[in-house]
Amino acid sequence: DTAVSQTPKYLVTQMGNDKSIKCEQNLGHDTMYWYKQDSKKFLKIMFSYNNKELIINETVPNRFSPKSPDKAHLNLHINSLELGDSAVYFCASSQTSHIPGNEQYFGPGTRLTVT
Amino acid sequence: AQSVAQPEDQVNVAEGNPLTVKCTYSVSGNPYLFWYVQYPNRGLQFLLKYITGDNLVKGSYGFEAEFNKSQTSFHLKKPSALVSDSALYFCAVRLGHSNYQLIWGAGTKLIIKP
Repeated sequence: DTAVSQTPKYLVTQMGNDKSIKCEQNLGHDTMYWYKQDSKKFLKIMFSYNNKELIINETVPNRFSPKSPDKAHLNLHINSLELGDSAVYFCASSQTSHIPGNEQYFGPGTRLTVT
Repeated sequence: AQSVAQPEDQVNVAEGNPLTVKCTYSVSGNPYLFWYVQYPNRGLQFLLKYITGDNLVKGSYGFEAEFNKSQTSFHLKKPSALVSDSALYFCAVRLGHSNYQLIWGAGTKLIIKP
């Protein structure tokens, strides 16, 4: 199926650990995003890559580091996890080059719980 | 400052009745407006968008939205609500002239009662 996929779906870990979340899209899109959705359901953009180039880098702790090995993949590595990092992290993709106003397609989310 | 407002945290509607979920915006340039739906424990799904043209936009699952430039609104509507429409609805608008970034509303929880 064509989609945006994320692994893992659930991630439970202890404070201080380092973890990664992976995202892949097979829609042929040129832009990928990471969002954080908190317990109140607010959606916050964290990062975006266009053709492997970082184009959005919001105010996010340095412990968060995205990496895009190719257009179809965008990973998120988090160092020294803190309780406040507990949230649902969504990956999304869209086709943006020369086509303004295209919608974003979201993955199913990764629920991160830091204990 | 550019912003999107969804003034209602929750909207309750009886099944079969029409529903409206409100969204107002403040942006520079021509607004590109979007509605997304999030079902429990799922990712967001695109419903519809307004870029240009007809002010009444039709989307998925029988939803439509009306762009009103003078009132800077983009309300989501459906003539007859279904229980399965119960979900969290997000309005979003393109940030300035960016091709990449959206400004998101806080979301409105829609509850359809049988």
